[in-house]
Amino acid sequence: EAQVTQNPRYLITVTGKKLTVTCSQNMNHEYMSWYRQDPGLGLRQIYYSMNVEVTDKGDVPEGYKVSRKEKRNFPLILESPSPNQTSLYFCASRGSSSYEQYFGPGTRLTVT
Amino acid sequence: EDQVTQSPEALRLQEGESSSLNCSYTVSGLRGLFWYRQDPGKGPEFLFTLYSAGEEKEKERLKATLTKKESFLHITAPKPEDSATYLCAVRPTSGTYKYIFGTGTRLKVLA
Repeated sequence: EAQVTQNPRYLITVTGKKLTVTCSQNMNHEYMSWYRQDPGLGLRQIYYSMNVEVTDKGDVPEGYKVSRKEKRNFPLILESPSPNQTSLYFCASRGSSSYEQYFGPGTRLTVT
Repeated sequence: EDQVTQSPEALRLQEGESSSLNCSYTVSGLRGLFWYRQDPGKGPEFLFTLYSAGEEKEKERLKATLTKKESFLHITAPKPEDSATYLCAVRPTSGTYKYIFGTGTRLKVLA
């Protein structure tokens, strides 16, 4: 089954404790992206990647890092999480032949 | 500035009561406009892509249309299972991998 998976689905952590949210897709898609979704603000792009070793900032990259060492994986790293990073996070991917993005199930992160 | 505005924010319909959701957009150039459905606690599910004014797409009770300034998602004879948040997004011609999302319309269909 074609899908985007994320782990963990739920995470509660404390300020300053480094964490990684994993994202994997099995569709051989070139493009991958991370979004955060907050009430009243909609989905906002954090980082995106056009292929292995090629990444760039989206609209809200501060406090986040990403890497793309393999085509299927695109982890999101919060090196020193803060409470304002409490949000619902989505990973998405798309192929090079169309613009439709396919989203993962989401990771709900709470930083206390 | 590129932006997407969806209206209404929330909509309650009786089962079988048809209606339309609106997505207004302002972009310098449009590569595509997308509609997604999002259920609570889940990721957005792709519904339609529209590329140019006058284009229409249909899927079951849903029909999406596009003009040069807005898109409509028409819901014909909705059922309770159509209850969800519907998101609109645009892919402007500027930016390598840029998508701009609206804040969505929360639809509740009552039996």
